[in-house]
Formats: sequence, C-alpha cells, structure tokens
Amino acid sequence: ETGVTQSPTHLIKTRGQQVTLRCSSQSGHNTVSWYQQALGQGPQFIFQYYREEENGRGNFPPRFSGLQFPNYSSELNVNALELDDSALYLCASSPMTVAPEEQYFGPGTRLTVT
Amino acid sequence: DQQVKQNSPSLSVQEGRISILNCDYTNSMFDYFLWYKKYPAEGPTFLISISSIKDKNEDGRFTVFLNKSAKHLSLHIVPSQPGDSAVYFCAAPRLSGNQFYFGTGTSLTVIP
Repeated sequence: ETGVTQSPTHLIKTRGQQVTLRCSSQSGHNTVSWYQQALGQGPQFIFQYYREEENGRGNFPPRFSGLQFPNYSSELNVNALELDDSALYLCASSPMTVAPEEQYFGPGTRLTVT
Repeated sequence: DQQVKQNSPSLSVQEGRISILNCDYTNSMFDYFLWYKKYPAEGPTFLISISSIKDKNEDGRFTVFLNKSAKHLSLHIVPSQPGDSAVYFCAAPRLSGNQFYFGTGTSLTVIP
C-alpha cells in the first residue's frame, strides 16, 4: 500500500505564470482534498474532489482549479500567479467517509512566486 | 474569518513534563474536533479526535479536553518526549466529509 505522493517537491514561478501541482492518492482512496498552508498559518481548505467531481470548495478565487482522474490522482492548477500564492500546498486522500483517521496527507509542494 | 484559533505559536517543555496545547473555536455547531501533528517535510498526521458530546478523550499519552461553554479545547501530552517535538494543529469539520478548518498551529519543542 503506497502513501500519498506529491510532485514536484519545490518549484519557483514568476508572478502571472500558471502552475500545475500533482497528487497521487493512496491506494483505495477515491477522495482528494487540497489545502494551502502559507508561512505561519494553518492549512486552508481549497477544494475536494470525489470520483472526479468537485465536492466542496473553500474561499479561493476561480483561478484555483482542479481535476481528478479515473485513477483518483488529482491536479491543482493555479492561473495568474500572485506573490501571495507562495505557500506549501498539501493534498490529502481518503475514502469517502467522515473518519478523519482515514485521511492521509502528502508531504506537500512548496511553491514560491517571485 | 478564523473558525479555529491557536493563540500560542510555540511552546517549550522539559522531557517528562506535561505539554498543554490550547485551541479556541467560534462555531458552537461543530460536531467534533481533531488534533494533527506535523513534522518538517512531512504532511500532517491525525493524532486524536473528540466528539462534541464528550468532554474528554484519551489515547495513551495524549488526552484532549473539550469545554463547550468556553468553546475551548486542549491537548495534554504526558509525559512529553523529544519525539513529540512538532507542530500541532487543531481542526474542526467544514460542511461535509474530511474537509476541515485548521488552526494556525503550535510548535512544540520538548527539551531532553
């Protein structure tokens, strides 16, 4: 059983560019959630995907978008990058349950926008 | 709007002593609360939870206390060990499954 993996580990982008972050969910998990953790802050919920459909969204603008694929892996896309988008982006996978102990986070992607 | 707040960014404790991490919340409708632990370069990992119908939940060295009237919860670690050094987040559920509000975290350092 593999854990949650994210790629890339780090990347640096310029303001105005677009970025795609990737997450491979744990085997058997059909739900992926994305969080943004800015420096000194807690993770902020961006959105969740369940069986390839968006299933809840936090207070983030439309330039944050996502996809989930048939194998339940997921992408987070951010357009028109702003300096404030610099953060650690975490994904978490789980079965579609409300058992928090069954949700597993990846190590995150550190995005720096200059 | 910060639904869950942790007002202490950091805490240092001697090994063997008690660590107490605090969390406040604003929404009295939360059904349960969680604590997560995060080591550097790793994602948060689930530590312990408590239902809103309970006032205490214990798991080994970790105990969470809930005071609903004060909208306050705390995590007690006894005895504290150097391996407990990490950032601890409290969290509460959003509208549907496994979507959470997180606090800003408390960085715990346990001194050997």
